[in-house]
Amino acid sequence: AQSVAQPEDQVNVAEGNPLTVKCTYSVSGNPYLFWYVQYPNRGLQFLLKYITGDNLVKGSYGFEAEFNKSQTSFHLKKPSALVSDSALYFCAVRFPAGTALIFGKGTTLSVSS
Amino acid sequence: KAGVTQTPRYLIKTRGQQVTLSCSPISGHRSVSWYQQTPGQGLQFLFEYFSETQRNKGNFPGRFSGRQFSNSRSEMNVSTLELGDSALYLCASRVTSGGTDTQYFGPGTRLTVL
Repeated sequence: AQSVAQPEDQVNVAEGNPLTVKCTYSVSGNPYLFWYVQYPNRGLQFLLKYITGDNLVKGSYGFEAEFNKSQTSFHLKKPSALVSDSALYFCAVRFPAGTALIFGKGTTLSVSS
Repeated sequence: KAGVTQTPRYLIKTRGQQVTLSCSPISGHRSVSWYQQTPGQGLQFLFEYFSETQRNKGNFPGRFSGRQFSNSRSEMNVSTLELGDSALYLCASRVTSGGTDTQYFGPGTRLTVL
């Protein structure tokens, strides 16, 4: 079955330290990959996507993600975390000819001051 | 440019009732998708509409239906509400259906079924 895994329910990091939120996927073909963030009582905000090309994708708010085809991973990274980055992060995939996003379960990022 | 808007933001209904949720996409976006978010099941795709036609449908019962109007606005209807329908319903829009463009989400409608 096609699936997206976010192996960590929660990631804790101190402000100023680098952060990584992990995502792996198990789908056939070459899907498009996305990261979204959700703040409490809000919808999802788009951070970045990988379609093709350079394996390092830069997105909004200083976030970037590294695509690794052999490991079928798309980890979200940020060099220096902010307290305001604390939120729920979702990884998602979509097939090139498809319409639906398939989401992971989400990872709660907590950044302490 | 204004983002995706959803109305109402909060809704309380009782079992057996029906409900209609509304979504206005970003100007120029012709595709609208609906997702259900619950703590147990996470984010699940309901359906997508493009040019007033349903393009894809997720694995939900027939009680869940939708439609899209000529101005790309979309409505979602849930009939005979069940307690398990309590969720955050998210609408997303994008320029077209298929392709590489990004789906942008609205703030959601929080539905509580009592």
